[in-house]
Amino acid sequence: TQLLEQSPQFLSIQEGENLTVYCNSSSVFSSLQWYRQEPGEGPVLLVTVVTGGEVKKLKRLTFQFGDARKDSSLHITAAQPGDTGLYLCAGAASDYKLSFGAGTTVTVRA
Amino acid sequence: DARVTQTPRHKVTEMGQEVTMRCQPILGHNTVFWYRQTMMQGLELLAYFRNRAPLDDSGMPKDRFSAEMPDATLATLKIQPSEPRDSAVYFCASGPPGQARKTQYFGPGTRLLVL
Repeated sequence: TQLLEQSPQFLSIQEGENLTVYCNSSSVFSSLQWYRQEPGEGPVLLVTVVTGGEVKKLKRLTFQFGDARKDSSLHITAAQPGDTGLYLCAGAASDYKLSFGAGTTVTVRA
Repeated sequence: DARVTQTPRHKVTEMGQEVTMRCQPILGHNTVFWYRQTMMQGLELLAYFRNRAPLDDSGMPKDRFSAEMPDATLATLKIQPSEPRDSAVYFCASGPPGQARKTQYFGPGTRLLVL
């Protein structure tokens, strides 16, 4: 059982469309991170959110941390083929351990 | 461009053989993590070190896995004896002092296949 539930598991969209990936938990986290992983590579950190209600923007990517610090979302505007990859959320509790969600595989078709 | 390096990138071995995976964390990072990724379980934390001291290895099968940091520039993960169920991608990650809870940099992984 994953501590963090990600949805949807798979997402396939056309270039130019928007998408949202969700990350939910019943646990409270001190911080939450989003990673993107491409085939044959390790996860690459996109953003870390630490404050409940926090919103961070990274170009066309918008990340939000829930007020209660139990959930998060990633929104991509006008998706491009280069956004294709496995998106992982990971929550940190009081120590250094990260609990990862199962991931959302995003495919953006040209 | 500082990166975590891992060797070997691929390893195919037979059941019962010893496997050693190596990781060089980013210079100056004092926290090192070992993860395993499979299709069924996703990314799981196996062990982590801070300032070369093991802080938690509760995610590791103790009877066959061992993790060490002989020095600040080298972390090793050893499996002896290996079993087919150990087939997975093993990632090393490192984090900077005081920031490892919020910032981890992953290596490219070692893809292990145990026949």
